Amino acid sequence: NAGVTQTPKFRVLKTGQSMTLLCAQDMNHEYMYWYRQDPGMGLRLIHYSVGEGTTAKGEVPDGYNVSRLKKQNFLLGLESAAPSQTSVYFCASSYLRGAPGNEQYFGPGTRLTVT
Amino acid sequence: KNEVEQSPQNLTAQEGEFITINCSYSVGISALHWLQQHPGGGIVSLFMLSSGKKKHGRLIATINIQEKHSSLHITASHPRDSAVYICAAAVYAGGTSYGKLTFGQGTILTVHP
Repeated sequence: NAGVTQTPKFRVLKTGQSMTLLCAQDMNHEYMYWYRQDPGMGLRLIHYSVGEGTTAKGEVPDGYNVSRLKKQNFLLGLESAAPSQTSVYFCASSYLRGAPGNEQYFGPGTRLTVT
Repeated sequence: KNEVEQSPQNLTAQEGEFITINCSYSVGISALHWLQQHPGGGIVSLFMLSSGKKKHGRLIATINIQEKHSSLHITASHPRDSAVYICAAAVYAGGTSYGKLTFGQGTILTVHP
């Protein structure tokens, strides 16, 4: 199993450009999450999904959109990038239906710089 | 005040020392997670616990629900333990929290040979 993968690993954008980050998991997990990690701030939840076709806002959703058209994929979109969105983005997944526990599995991260 | 507080923020140790990292939370939780983030950036889940104590190799995690406090211990520390250790609370929100986590700011551990 590959676990949780993220594409791309690095990206530099100019202010106002758009991009989509892709997260994929092969563990048949129900829940998926997008976090951002900034120095001194810890990890913060942007959006999450509790199943295919569902999404919900987290702690810092402004400026981002998400979609979960397939159970294994969770996309994070930036429609008009701003320098404040310079961060490291982590995707995670959890919860296998019928299995105990709710441990989260993290992807390797995407380092995004907006100039 | 953050809902999840860790201490210390930075910790330096000599190889072989016993290490303790503390985590306090101010909300009702369904579970407390300990995560490890290596300098390369990857995040790995170490423990998820809702009561008592768990042990994995040289790592031990404990939680006291009444005092809203958890500790992560590392016995016989080694330079390869150098990493950021993060505690995260799965906040109880009535029916289900859908696994949403509230994170502490992390403890940077450096173990010198």
